[in-house]
Amino acid sequence: RKEVEQDPGPFNVPEGATVAFNCTYSNSASQSFFWYRQDCRKEPKLLMSVYSSGNEDGRFTAQLNRASQYISLLIRDSKLSDSATYLCVVNEKYGNKLVFGAGTILRVKS
Amino acid sequence: GAVVSQHPSWVICKSGTSVKIECRSLDFQATTMFWYRQFPKQSLMLMATSNEGSKATYEQGVEKDKFLINHASLTLSTLTVTSAHPEDSSFYICSARTSGRALVGELFFGEGSRLTVL
Repeated sequence: RKEVEQDPGPFNVPEGATVAFNCTYSNSASQSFFWYRQDCRKEPKLLMSVYSSGNEDGRFTAQLNRASQYISLLIRDSKLSDSATYLCVVNEKYGNKLVFGAGTILRVKS
Repeated sequence: GAVVSQHPSWVICKSGTSVKIECRSLDFQATTMFWYRQFPKQSLMLMATSNEGSKATYEQGVEKDKFLINHASLTLSTLTVTSAHPEDSSFYICSARTSGRALVGELFFGEGSRLTVL
């Protein structure tokens, strides 16, 4: 079983749609969680951290369910510029090691 | 925000040659740097963690004699792929964080180096 699993997609949605991605992680001792965005052939960039209480940043909402060991990302009012690969990232223990999911591809079309 | 610069962005080399990739933190001191490798349509895989002035810690399955990492200063880490072979062709990305960052997820990534070994 992979340490961090994501549906690879692609998710093809029209502009303005709401789309949600889920991610599951296997290590119950994981400490912190993040969503990164990676554009084609570019480096990943931090989109947002995921807090136990859930957090929102504009059109993006992230949630964490520790009991079920999954993380979600909700994107409202999708824009063409949201097209990218979204990486679920888990920090296995307090320290250095981040484990990346393989990513979910989102394609927003006009 | 903090900037990490990686060079070269693209490199094509012949099989058997060695390739050096540099990772520099431009506006902060990076006590820890990480090297990742990403194959097409796969996740980033951590190869090694390097701390300034000490030996790198390699992940299981990564050959330390093949992937030489040097972190001689607080602003520079290098990855040398020795005797490269076509299966080493990949996207190599470095990242860095400062010692003062409480949020471990605040890693700053270099732009990545795409290596193609012929």
